[in-house]
Amino acid sequence: RKEVEQDPGPFNVPEGATVAFNCTYSNSASQSFFWYRQDCRKEPKLLMSVYSSGNEDGRFTAQLNRASQYISLLIRDSKLSDSATYLCVVNPGGADGLTFGKGTHLIIQP
Amino acid sequence: NAGVMQNPRHLVRRRGQEARLRCSPMKGHSHVYWYRQLPEEGLKFMVYLQKENIIDESGMPKERFSAEFPKEGPSILRIQQVVRGDSAAYFCASSPRGTGGYEQYFGPGTRLTVT
Repeated sequence: RKEVEQDPGPFNVPEGATVAFNCTYSNSASQSFFWYRQDCRKEPKLLMSVYSSGNEDGRFTAQLNRASQYISLLIRDSKLSDSATYLCVVNPGGADGLTFGKGTHLIIQP
Repeated sequence: NAGVMQNPRHLVRRRGQEARLRCSPMKGHSHVYWYRQLPEEGLKFMVYLQKENIIDESGMPKERFSAEFPKEGPSILRIQQVVRGDSAAYFCASSPRGTGGYEQYFGPGTRLTVT
C-alpha cells in the first residue's frame, strides 16, 4: 500500500467552480500534514498546513480526518492561476523527511 | 529575505563523472532536507541534515551518494560516478526546526541530466 495516495486526475474544472481533492495516508502515527502546489518544472510551494480542527485560508479550506486517515482540500471560486499539481504531504513522525503523494493535476478552464 | 537557494539550476554530466549540488537554506533555518523527483514521479526524501550532522539518511542510496552540511557554507549533495538513472530534479528544503512538523520551504531545484 502506498504511503500517501492521491487521485492523479487530471481534474478539468471551469473557472469559478468549486473543486475538492482527497488523499489518504497509511501511517496512523503521522504527525503533521500539508498541502503543497507544484507548477510544471518548478519547486513545491507550501499552500497550507492541515489541522485536525480544519483550517481556511481565503478560498482554500483543508480538513484532516485522523480516524479515517484522509486529508482534503477544497478550492472555492477557482481561478485560472489555480491550475497546478496539488501535493498531499505527510510527516510520518520519527524522521523528519516529508512523504509526498504523487499529486493531483488540476486544470482550470476559462 | 532570500529564500532557499540552490545551484547550479541545471547540471549536465557524462556517465561516470561526479555531480555536486549546493543548497543554502533560508536565513535563520538550520535544518536542511534533500529530495529527489524522478520524471513523472513524486518527491522522495533522501537525507536530513543539521550543521555538521547527518540526522537521517534513510532515503539515500547506499552507494555513490553522500551529503554534508558544514559549519560554514552551503549543504552539498554529492553523487559519484553518475549513471543515467540519476537524471532527476533534486530539491533542497529548509525549516527553522527539525521536529514538531514545521513547514519546509523548497529551493528551485537542480535538474541533473546524465548523458
